[in-house]
Amino acid sequence: ETGVTQSPTHLIKTRGQQVTLRCSSQSGHNTVSWYQQALGQGPQFIFQYYREEENGRGNFPPRFSGLQFPNYSSELNVNALELDDSALYLCASSPNRRVSHEELFFGEGSRLTVL
Amino acid sequence: AQSVSQHNHHVILSEAASLELGCNYSYGGTVNLFWYVQYPGQHLQLLLKYFSGDPLVKGIKGFEAEFIKSKFSFNLRKPSVQWSDTAEYFCAVTSSGGYQKVTFGIGTKLQVIP
Repeated sequence: ETGVTQSPTHLIKTRGQQVTLRCSSQSGHNTVSWYQQALGQGPQFIFQYYREEENGRGNFPPRFSGLQFPNYSSELNVNALELDDSALYLCASSPNRRVSHEELFFGEGSRLTVL
Repeated sequence: AQSVSQHNHHVILSEAASLELGCNYSYGGTVNLFWYVQYPGQHLQLLLKYFSGDPLVKGIKGFEAEFIKSKFSFNLRKPSVQWSDTAEYFCAVTSSGGYQKVTFGIGTKLQVIP
């Protein structure tokens, strides 16, 4: 167990809908990152949050947005869902955003299916 | 932009066989290199990492990896695999001094047959 918890574990949405995924980071970790893992692919970086601000973003459109709360938990929001958004969404926390070789601690993911 | 290539997408070995999983990265600057593992039904977890010093790094469960800068490679090795090593293995890279944007390879599924 990493101490990173994600909810929900599975969900099904239809195209055009909106979804919110949640993540509680490991105790003592102030940095949260989100990754998308499509079937048969490695995880792809969406963005990173530190002290409630986004401080790094991958190649994802603006309809992917996030929040980080004072307790360091985080949300990933995806608007106007498309079929290609079907994937496993992983949350990862770490204790220090400035250490680029820091280990990431992953949750078990939220599997999103878009019909 | 950085990228990671993993050469073997699916590997099947018998117990006690030796393992080597290939990984090459593309990036012009100084990098940090990782191998993460995902056992069936479990979360991704760190196996080992290299960021400085001895290019031969040892990780958990008898795994090791060697950073060869001239070849842009970070291959994972284990002399004798066990059935419990059945998992998916991901090579990953971050750039030194940057924020924690981790670029992952496509992954290699290892199946160890008893």
